[in-house]
Amino acid sequence: GAVVSQHPSWVICKSGTSVKIECRSLDFQATTMFWYRQFPKQSLMLMATSNEGSKATYEQGVEKDKFLINHASLTLSTLTVTSAHPEDSSFYICSASRGGAAYNEQFFGPGTRLTVL
Amino acid sequence: AQTVTQSQPEMSVQEAETVTLSCTYDTSESNYYLFWYKQPPSRQMILVIRQEAYKQQNATENRFSVNFQKAAKSFSLKISDSQLGDTAMYFCAFAPAIGGSQGNLIFGKGTKLSVKP
Repeated sequence: GAVVSQHPSWVICKSGTSVKIECRSLDFQATTMFWYRQFPKQSLMLMATSNEGSKATYEQGVEKDKFLINHASLTLSTLTVTSAHPEDSSFYICSASRGGAAYNEQFFGPGTRLTVL
Repeated sequence: AQTVTQSQPEMSVQEAETVTLSCTYDTSESNYYLFWYKQPPSRQMILVIRQEAYKQQNATENRFSVNFQKAAKSFSLKISDSQLGDTAMYFCAFAPAIGGSQGNLIFGKGTKLSVKP
């Protein structure tokens, strides 16, 4: 149990276009979902936390108008990178949790590799 | 602000031997959780083990155990009887247990572990 999927697994887009990444919890209801960014050979950096039906909470330095997060249901959250530029190229990972507390395990998706040309 | 430091960028161990990965952290929180995550070449993050700060007993999960030294803010991971499948990046992570950022994972930079046959 506790499977999280992401779609697409990789995407290449032109500079200036928008890209949507989906994160789904397949066998449980995810009250809270998290979005991370991982640069090559580096650690994961939390971008934002979203609770179902509420606005996402963004970490300091993350542009909320550029990285739009929607968590409209208990099994789906989306991250839209608007007007993408080459510096947005990265590995984006989501995780899902049954709750936002630290004792609720986060289950991670397989990640989405975004390349902006 | 909390920080997590992993001072060993890379380590290697012979199959069947024991290896210890180091992690230190800094926080003013009194209640928190600590985690070790594994990221294999497939890039999917997997929880290895977690420790609740208020529990003095070190957590164990089969071949994986931790040495949690709260006063020293140290949280090392010991892998016994290393297997080829243990080859991966290992990330130490911290999450506050209370407050507005509870549950938000802060990751160290990771240690790349190679298990050699």
